[in-house]
Amino acid sequence: KAGVTQTPRYLIKTRGQQVTLSCSPISGHRSVSWYQQTPGQGLQFLFEYFSETQRNKGNFPGRFSGRQFSNSRSEMNVSTLELGDSALYLCASSFSPSGPQETAYFGPGTRLLVL
Amino acid sequence: EDQVTQSPEALRLQEGESSSLNCSYTVSGLRGLFWYRQDPGKGPEFLFTLYSAGEEKEKERLKATLTKKESFLHITAPKPEDSATYLCAVHLSGGSYIPTFGRGTSLIVHP
Repeated sequence: KAGVTQTPRYLIKTRGQQVTLSCSPISGHRSVSWYQQTPGQGLQFLFEYFSETQRNKGNFPGRFSGRQFSNSRSEMNVSTLELGDSALYLCASSFSPSGPQETAYFGPGTRLLVL
Repeated sequence: EDQVTQSPEALRLQEGESSSLNCSYTVSGLRGLFWYRQDPGKGPEFLFTLYSAGEEKEKERLKATLTKKESFLHITAPKPEDSATYLCAVHLSGGSYIPTFGRGTSLIVHP
């Protein structure tokens, strides 16, 4: 079974630009969550999508948004990039039909550098 | 404020030297506690989920236990390939799911 894939793996942007990251979950998984990981703040939950609906949301500004498609693939978008948005962005998928994630499988992440 | 604290921040062991990592939490209404392993440059890898005090789970050289306010990850006779950062996360009961992660314990096992 193929794992969670994320594209691109590395990205360099400048302040003020926007970026879109993509995540393909494990086949059959309908829940996709996004996380930001930085040395200063650790791993922080951004949001979770299930069946194309945002089911849960962490404490991040509105510049961070996401969506999920009918095939469960998900994208997250960050607008008006700031230097502090430099981080490893991780996507995780799980089966989770009626409740929170349990066994979550993480992708390798997208490393974003904002200059 | 709900908080998850992991200790120690870093741990160096000799191969075969058993030890324990700690994850303490101040949240109320714990629904589940998760342990992950993260290797450099990779996403976290799921290890265990614990739901109630007294629960234990094992996988190879790892054993996770849970009490009302903390969890331990015991590593028995570690090998160099056990070197990684170990993360714990808690999930609260209630309608929403917003996991709170600890900062992790960086483990290095020397041959």
